[in-house]
Amino acid sequence: NAGVTQTPKFQVLKTGQSMTLQCAQDMNHEYMSWYRQDPGMGLRLIHYSVGAGITDQGEVPNGYNVSRSTTEDFPLRLLSAAPSQTSVYFCASSHEGSRTEAFFGQGTRLTVV
Amino acid sequence: GENVEQHPSTLSVQEGDSAVIKCTYSDSASNYFPWYKQELGKGPQLIIDIRSNVGEKKDQRIAVTLNKTAKHFSLHITETQPEDSAVYFCAASTFRDDKIIFGKGTRLHILP
Repeated sequence: NAGVTQTPKFQVLKTGQSMTLQCAQDMNHEYMSWYRQDPGMGLRLIHYSVGAGITDQGEVPNGYNVSRSTTEDFPLRLLSAAPSQTSVYFCASSHEGSRTEAFFGQGTRLTVV
Repeated sequence: GENVEQHPSTLSVQEGDSAVIKCTYSDSASNYFPWYKQELGKGPQLIIDIRSNVGEKKDQRIAVTLNKTAKHFSLHITETQPEDSAVYFCAASTFRDDKIIFGKGTRLHILP
């Protein structure tokens, strides 16, 4: 049972480049979310989804897009990377919304130069 | 929206002593309060949670207390061990907008 799988684990981008961070879960969870973790800032919610076809903004959505075409996958897109987006990104899923245990992936460390 | 404050940002305790981490929240509609532990290089993992209809919950050496009137909740770790060294996050969530908001984290060091 893989749980939540994030790819890649590490990535270096140049300013202005685009990329997609992948997140997949095999637990049939309806709720998925993306966070960024920066030193001294904790975990900040970027976007979340309560089910396939439904997405909503979190605390820091600017510069990021998401889609949820299947229950399993929740990719995060950076359209034009900026140095301020250098961070560690975590994807999480939970069975019933935000009020049950969230299972986190191992994270993607992104550096924008 | 919800705002969660967590203190202290760093905590050092002698092995065997107790550690307490405190959080406050702003939205009185919040009703679910989990605590996560993050070890180096890994994603956070749930260690205990509490819902608004309960004042205290224990699981072996870990306990969480909730004061809804004051809008604060705390994590208590007793008989600390070296493997308790990690970053701990509190969080709060409501039914209203189905978001979970985290505190900034506490780095706990267990000293030998």
